[in-house]
Amino acid sequence: NAGVTQTPKFQVLKTGQSMTLQCAQDMNHEYMSWYRQDPGMGLRLIHYSVGAGITDQGEVPNGYNVSRSTTEDFPLRLLSAAPSQTSVYFCASSYTSAGDEQFFGPGTRLTVL
Amino acid sequence: GQQLNQSPQSMFIQEGEDVSMNCTSSSIFNTWLWYKQDPGEGPVLLIALYKAGELTSNGRLTAQFGITRKDSFLNISASIPSDVGIYFCAGRKGGSEKLVFGKGTKLTVNP
Repeated sequence: NAGVTQTPKFQVLKTGQSMTLQCAQDMNHEYMSWYRQDPGMGLRLIHYSVGAGITDQGEVPNGYNVSRSTTEDFPLRLLSAAPSQTSVYFCASSYTSAGDEQFFGPGTRLTVL
Repeated sequence: GQQLNQSPQSMFIQEGEDVSMNCTSSSIFNTWLWYKQDPGEGPVLLIALYKAGELTSNGRLTAQFGITRKDSFLNISASIPSDVGIYFCAGRKGGSEKLVFGKGTKLTVNP
């Protein structure tokens, strides 16, 4: 199993550009989530999904969209990038819920100029 | 905003020393989790706690789910250089599918 994979590993955007961060898991996990990590802030939940076709907002959802058309994939879309979205983004998955062990991907380091 | 207060923010210790860190909340949580993050990687689960008063060990690590359900503690005994990293507590309220993380404790171990 590859576990949780994320692409790209690094990305630089200009303000106003849009892009999609990819996340995939091959463990047949129902629960998937996106976090952003900023220095001194820990991890903050952006969006999460409890299964295909179901998504919901986390703590900091503004400026981000998600969809869950398959169990395996959970892409995160930045609609119009802003410097405040410069961060490290982690995707995670777990068997059924947030309280199960979440397996994290390696992260995407995003810089918005 | 975040609802977990994790302390201390950072620790500098000598190899062989014991370490304690804790997490508190004004809300009741049904699940407490402790994760470790190595530089450049995603967090990895160390210990999961699902019951008030529960005390669980994983090698040199021991964590407890506070009786009030508003706090949790992580202890590391006889620290070694590979214990270096950032330790996060995380909690989940009953009926919620959102995991809330503390801001982390950065541990440095001097050989």
